[in-house]
Amino acid sequence: DGGITQSPKYLFRKEGQNVTLSCEQNLNHDAMYWYRQDPGQGLRLIYYSQIVNDFQKGDIAEGYSVSREKKESFPLTVTSAQKNPTAFYLCASSSMEGLSYEQYFGPGTRLTVT
Amino acid sequence: GQQLNQSPQSMFIQEGEDVSMNCTSSSIFNTWLWYKQDPGEGPVLLIALYKAGELTSNGRLTAQFGITRKDSFLNISASIPSDVGIYFCAGLRSNDYKLSFGAGTTVTVRA
Repeated sequence: DGGITQSPKYLFRKEGQNVTLSCEQNLNHDAMYWYRQDPGQGLRLIYYSQIVNDFQKGDIAEGYSVSREKKESFPLTVTSAQKNPTAFYLCASSSMEGLSYEQYFGPGTRLTVT
Repeated sequence: GQQLNQSPQSMFIQEGEDVSMNCTSSSIFNTWLWYKQDPGEGPVLLIALYKAGELTSNGRLTAQFGITRKDSFLNISASIPSDVGIYFCAGLRSNDYKLSFGAGTTVTVRA
């Protein structure tokens, strides 16, 4: 079964702790993305990566960090510097071949920080 | 990325009705995508549009890529209860792999 997996589905952390969200894809996609979704809002881009060992900041990168050591994996760390980390986090991936730039999303991780 | 203007923000519809929503932008896009998101889940791609003027169907869904390349609409015909959810439009420029998203249209179906 090809797809994108995110784990865990729900995550609870205390304020001041860093937390890492997992994202894995077996679609052989080159590009991977992290989005944040808040209630009643669209998706906002945190970081993206088009190739292994390289990534770029999105629109709201402050307080987050990523790594891309393998093509299949793009973990996101929410650091204690992120002022309002409680949100629904979505990972996506896309091919970069031809015209097919559609992004496919994982099931999401809901992070609650108290 | 630039946010797209998506309307309406929400709608209540009767089962069996047709539904229409649209997305506009001040910028030109080369690809328009429509997604549906169920509560607590990730968005699922419904339709992708690549050419200005293109009209594409997927079952009861029909979407069009506006001729100016600055807008797109999505129609749902003969709505059913499982059409409930949030529908997002997204646009992509050719020189950029980043999607710009609308804020979503929440659809609720009255049985």
